[in-house]
Amino acid sequence: NAGVTQTPKFRILKIGQSMTLQCAQDMNHNYMYWYRQDPGMGLKLIYYSVGAGITDKGEVPNGYNVSRSTTEDFPLRLELAAPSQTSVYFCASSPRQGAAYEQYFGPGTRLTVT
Amino acid sequence: GENVEQHPSTLSVQEGDSAVIKCTYSDSASNYFPWYKQELGKGPQLIIDIRSNVGEKKDQRIAVTLNKTAKHFSLHITETQPEDSAVYFCAASSDTGRRALTFGSGTRLQVQP
Repeated sequence: NAGVTQTPKFRILKIGQSMTLQCAQDMNHNYMYWYRQDPGMGLKLIYYSVGAGITDKGEVPNGYNVSRSTTEDFPLRLELAAPSQTSVYFCASSPRQGAAYEQYFGPGTRLTVT
Repeated sequence: GENVEQHPSTLSVQEGDSAVIKCTYSDSASNYFPWYKQELGKGPQLIIDIRSNVGEKKDQRIAVTLNKTAKHFSLHITETQPEDSAVYFCAASSDTGRRALTFGSGTRLQVQP
């Protein structure tokens, strides 16, 4: 299993541009999450999904959108990029069964908006 | 919502010494408490977790303790090694709704050889 994969690893955007961060998992996990990590800080939840076709906002959703058309993929869309969106973005997935809460993280996408 | 505070923000120890990192949480409904290790340029990796029906859990050189009454939990690393140097995050979650993690702000552990 590849686990959770993210592309691209790095990206520089100009203010006002848009882009999609890709996330895929091959563990058949129902739950998927997007977090952002600012320098010296913990991770904050942007959006999450409990299954294909179901998404909802986290703590810091403004400026982002998501979709979940399949169990495997959970892309994050940035519209009209702003300097405040400069951050490292992590995607994670988690199984749904029973009391299993473990979240497995991808390697991250480092985004700079200038 | 949940709030998780983590201390200290940095910790430097000599190789072979023990390291302790402490976290407090605010939501009494939280019942799952994982610890993640993050190495430079990588995603967080789960190293140990504990659920609210357990007071202590150990895995080789690492252990986690939980005090539900006081709403705090701690990570203990014994016989530290240079490869333990990393940023450690605590987190909390409940089994309702989104099951998302609320993270502490992290502790940078430096193990001096």
